[in-house]
Amino acid sequence: EAQVTQNPRYLITVTGKKLTVTCSQNMNHEYMSWYRQDPGLGLRQIYYSMNVEVTDKGDVPEGYKVSRKEKRNFPLILESPSPNQTSLYFCASSLRRRTEAFFGQGTRLTVV
Amino acid sequence: SQELEQSPQSLIVQEGKNLTINCTSSKTLYGLYWYKQKYGEGLIFLMMLQKGGEEKSHEKITAKLDEKKQQSSLHITASQPSHAGIYLCGADSGSARQLTFGSGTQLTVLP
Repeated sequence: EAQVTQNPRYLITVTGKKLTVTCSQNMNHEYMSWYRQDPGLGLRQIYYSMNVEVTDKGDVPEGYKVSRKEKRNFPLILESPSPNQTSLYFCASSLRRRTEAFFGQGTRLTVV
Repeated sequence: SQELEQSPQSLIVQEGKNLTINCTSSKTLYGLYWYKQKYGEGLIFLMMLQKGGEEKSHEKITAKLDEKKQQSSLHITASQPSHAGIYLCGADSGSARQLTFGSGTQLTVLP
C-alpha cells in the first residue's frame, strides 16, 4: 500500500531532550516536506527536500533540523525541544513538483 | 511569500444543504489543491486545479479555479455528516517548495 509513515504518533518529552520524528514513504517520491499545524495558524512548512541531499528551509525552520540521506526517509530532528514546539507535525511527499502531496497520519508532540 | 485566505473559518449547516468554501491567493496560482482533514488526523487529497477556469467534481464536491488563477471555491451539494471535517486549500506558487496552506474551514453538518 502506498503510504507515508510517521513515527511516533504521540510523544511527550521534556525541554531540552533531543528527539527525532521519523518519516518514510514507499512511493519513490522526490519531494518531501515537514509541516506543523497549530490552532488558528494552519499548516506551516518547516523544511522541504527536493531530492537526496537537497534540503531547504520553509516558513518556520528555527529549532529544527532535517536530513535526506535516502530517498525514502526524511527525519525531523529537534536538538533541544522547547514548549513552543508543542504541535501536530505532518510529513508529506509528492512524486515531483506540481503533483498531489501525500500526508502521513501526524505526530502529536508535547514538550513540557 | 504566498498567502492564502480561506473563508469562512467555520461553517455549520443542516444535512442536505449546499455550501461553498472560498480560497483566495495573494499571488497567481500555479496549482491549487483541496484537502480534507478529520480532526487530528492526516490530510486526504480531494482535487487539484491548475488551469484558469478549470472545474473538477468528485461525487458531491465540485472545485473551481477562476480565470485569473487567484481564487478557488469548493462547493458541496446536499451535504452529509460524512462531509464534516476541516477543508484546507494548498497553493503551488511556482517556487521549488511544496505547498502553502490556508488556515482551513471547519465544517459541521448537523443530522
